[in-house]
Amino acid sequence: DAGVTQSPTHLIKTRGQHVTLRCSPISGHKSVSWYQQVLGQGPQFIFQYYEKEERGRGNFPDRFSARQFPNYSSELNVNALLLGDSALYLCASRLTGGDLGNTIYFGEGSWLTVV
Amino acid sequence: KQEVTQIPAALSVPEGENLVLNCSFTDSAIYNLQWFRQDPGKGLTSLLLIQSSQREQTSGRLNASLDKSSGRSTLYIAASQPGDSATYLCAVKRDNDMRFGAGTRLTVKP
Repeated sequence: DAGVTQSPTHLIKTRGQHVTLRCSPISGHKSVSWYQQVLGQGPQFIFQYYEKEERGRGNFPDRFSARQFPNYSSELNVNALLLGDSALYLCASRLTGGDLGNTIYFGEGSWLTVV
Repeated sequence: KQEVTQIPAALSVPEGENLVLNCSFTDSAIYNLQWFRQDPGKGLTSLLLIQSSQREQTSGRLNASLDKSSGRSTLYIAASQPGDSATYLCAVKRDNDMRFGAGTRLTVKP
């Protein structure tokens, strides 16, 4: 079975541009979360979606937005890119929105460089 | 605000040694704590999940403990191998987000 897949794997954007990152969860998983990992730090929570509804939002500006589609795949959009947005963006999926006995699975991430 | 700290930031050991990685958190009101492994440039792999009502979990050569009252968790790796070289991160969960530490970069030398 395929794991969590993310695209693109690497991309370079210019300051002020917009980017869309995509994520396909493991088949049957209905919860998708997005994290930003800056080099040398742990991942920071951006969003969680479950059954196409936003269930949680981290401390990120409104330039960051996301959505989940009927097939449970998800997009993360970032507008007006800043140099500080350069990071590894990780998508994670789990079976349901809850936690008990509910392992989380991460994708390989999308490396975003803003120049 | 929940703060998660991991000590040491980096650790180098010879193959075969037993070792302990430390994780501390400031708010004891957590749902669970997880330990992850991250290889360079890769995503995270879940190693052990400890629910808030549990004290420890074991998987193979790995054992993780949780002391909520003191805000501490440890990851014990027995008989370390070069293939264990990676960054190990702990994360605590409350509500809908997980709060990660910065990780411990482990190098196991043959």
